[in-house]
Amino acid sequence: QVQLVQSGAEVKKPGTSVKISCKASGYTFTNYIIHWMRQAPGQSLQWMGWINAGSGDTKVSDKFSDRIGFQRDTSANMAYMQLTSLESDDTAIYFCGRGRNSFYSDSWGQGTLVTVSS
Amino acid sequence: QSALIQPASVSGSPGQSLTISCTGSRRDIGSYNFVSWYHQLPGTAPKLLIYEVSQRSSGISTRFSGSKSGDTASLTISGLVTEDEGQYHCCSYAGNRTLIFGGGTRLTVL
Repeated sequence: QVQLVQSGAEVKKPGTSVKISCKASGYTFTNYIIHWMRQAPGQSLQWMGWINAGSGDTKVSDKFSDRIGFQRDTSANMAYMQLTSLESDDTAIYFCGRGRNSFYSDSWGQGTLVTVSS
Repeated sequence: QSALIQPASVSGSPGQSLTISCTGSRRDIGSYNFVSWYHQLPGTAPKLLIYEVSQRSSGISTRFSGSKSGDTASLTISGLVTEDEGQYHCCSYAGNRTLIFGGGTRLTVL
């Protein structure tokens, strides 16, 4: 079955970076997009961007355009999201999601809690 | 771009039907038939219910239906059961390969 497994929780200092991984299984990795979303405590979801696992093409939300990067490793069926210059407002659960296209995610990872605190 | 507007909370009794609205603009819901809905239980990842306005995701009950009129999309849940409680999120394509989510709606089954 389709499964996305994310890396574990992180605690980071302000100004540093975090890199989260998302391992896909149960489907052909390169035929889909990987979306990235986040959810701050008690808040709704926020779309961050996506990477086409096949072509490597990316699209980033304007809100994060200067400090986010997406990568993928097709040999390992892994996708990565790196967020730099972390601030306390970046404290959130980060999710990856599989998308057949850029319009929705039909399967989600379990989420990765990132806590930014001095 | 601001989030799509959803009611913060809704409630209903078992067996009733209710509708959750999601209001956007001509830049998103009003221009594209790519609205999706997700259900999220506390401490878990969202689960896709509806995509492309009205298409049910695999395994989703026919009690869930989606529609759209102008700049507003709606999710209707019929025959409410306690398992329907949780957070509901709408999402729309917003052009230029971007997405925008709603503020989320908490559903309580009384």
